[in-house]
Amino acid sequence: GAGVSQSPSNKVTEKGKDVELRCDPISGHTALYWYRQRLGQGLEFLIYFQGNSAPDKSGLPSDRFSAERTGESVSTLTIQRTQQEDSAVYLCASRLDPSGREQYFGPGTRLTVT
Amino acid sequence: SQQGEEDPQALSIQEGENATMNCSYKTSINNLQWYRQNSGRGLVHLILIRSNEREKHSGRLRVTLDTSKKSSSLLITASRAADTASYFCATEGQGGKLIFGQGTELSVKP
Repeated sequence: GAGVSQSPSNKVTEKGKDVELRCDPISGHTALYWYRQRLGQGLEFLIYFQGNSAPDKSGLPSDRFSAERTGESVSTLTIQRTQQEDSAVYLCASRLDPSGREQYFGPGTRLTVT
Repeated sequence: SQQGEEDPQALSIQEGENATMNCSYKTSINNLQWYRQNSGRGLVHLILIRSNEREKHSGRLRVTLDTSKKSSSLLITASRAADTASYFCATEGQGGKLIFGQGTELSVKP
């Protein structure tokens, strides 16, 4: 497909477990972003990858959150020791170059921590 | 913290009416973008306006930007029931990071 894909689409996990969310950006897009959206809220920036530069991690809410991206391909967002407040939709977006263009969003992963 | 603040938080209109949503922000920007979201999932880009532009049109959409007031507005003309969605503004500063507002929930009644 030509769009951004994310997996899984839904994830239910028990409090304290680790989860890994995956994002496949559009091929050739150098920039990749992760956002969190709680129910009825706006998007919270989490982390931003641009090519081989050091990622901008300024939005990660705690050290339980981490993300990796290999080159300009797949990214994974890992949440360790999940808490109920981590329940949200996690959205990934990619962009062709670092600025001045729109982002293309994936459908999101809905995470529910019980 | 969120950069953009939108108002109203919710807007309900009749089909055929115009819908206006406003966005205010705090720091200098390179551009401002508007996105639409259906059913709490992925966002779709609507329009981008650069900091040196004052107005932009795309179909039934009209966006204005006033950098002196640090504000933008999105006008949807002749609204349709299918325009029902949440609308977000997002500002881009240095470094390519987008900061989103809290959104306006638009309901267009047939």
